[in-house]
Amino acid sequence: AQSVTQPDIHITVSEGASLELRCNYSYGATPYLFWYVQSPGQGLQLLLKYFSGDTLVQGIKGFEAEFKRSQSSFNLRKPSVHWSDAAEYFCAVVVPPGAAGNKLTFGGGTRVLVKP
Amino acid sequence: DTAVSQTPKYLVTQMGNDKSIKCEQNLGHDTMYWYKQDSKKFLKIMFSYNNKELIINETVPNRFSPKSPDKAHLNLHINSLELGDSAVYFCASSQDVTGEGRRTQYFGPGTRLLVL
Repeated sequence: AQSVTQPDIHITVSEGASLELRCNYSYGATPYLFWYVQSPGQGLQLLLKYFSGDTLVQGIKGFEAEFKRSQSSFNLRKPSVHWSDAAEYFCAVVVPPGAAGNKLTFGGGTRVLVKP
Repeated sequence: DTAVSQTPKYLVTQMGNDKSIKCEQNLGHDTMYWYKQDSKKFLKIMFSYNNKELIINETVPNRFSPKSPDKAHLNLHINSLELGDSAVYFCASSQDVTGEGRRTQYFGPGTRLLVL
């Protein structure tokens, strides 16, 4: 079945440590890929997106993501986590690329907790 | 200078009531969306309008009726509210004239609906 999967429901990381959030997709063609962050009680903010080209994408707040076609993955990383990074992170896709409607399909989300 | 705004922020109501949620964007975008986030944080698109025309209509009960009086507004009216309608409803907008799916969607802060 076509889907977006975030295998980790919760991740706890110490402040200053590195963070990696996993995202896998299951579609025939490579979709457009996005990472959004939702801080507690807030809306969603785009961190970064990938359409084509360089597979390492830089985003806001020091985040980056790497697209790996062979693994159907688009994992999000940050070298050093700050307490303010505690939030819910969503991977999302637009499939098929170029279709009218721009329908975002979301993964289940990963909640990141940051320990002092 | 809020980009995408929603009213109300919180909505507590009784089963069987009819309620509306309003959304406005001042970004000059031509496409607007409604998403529902359930208690498990799962996000799913409900509707999308492009230039006041409905272009995405997911499997949503007929009790939900979107209305777009102009490009800057997309309201959501819900009839005969049920317990299962309790969720956070997010409005979003994007500039997606070509429908190519690359445009960033900007989200509002959400409306937290609780049906008692």
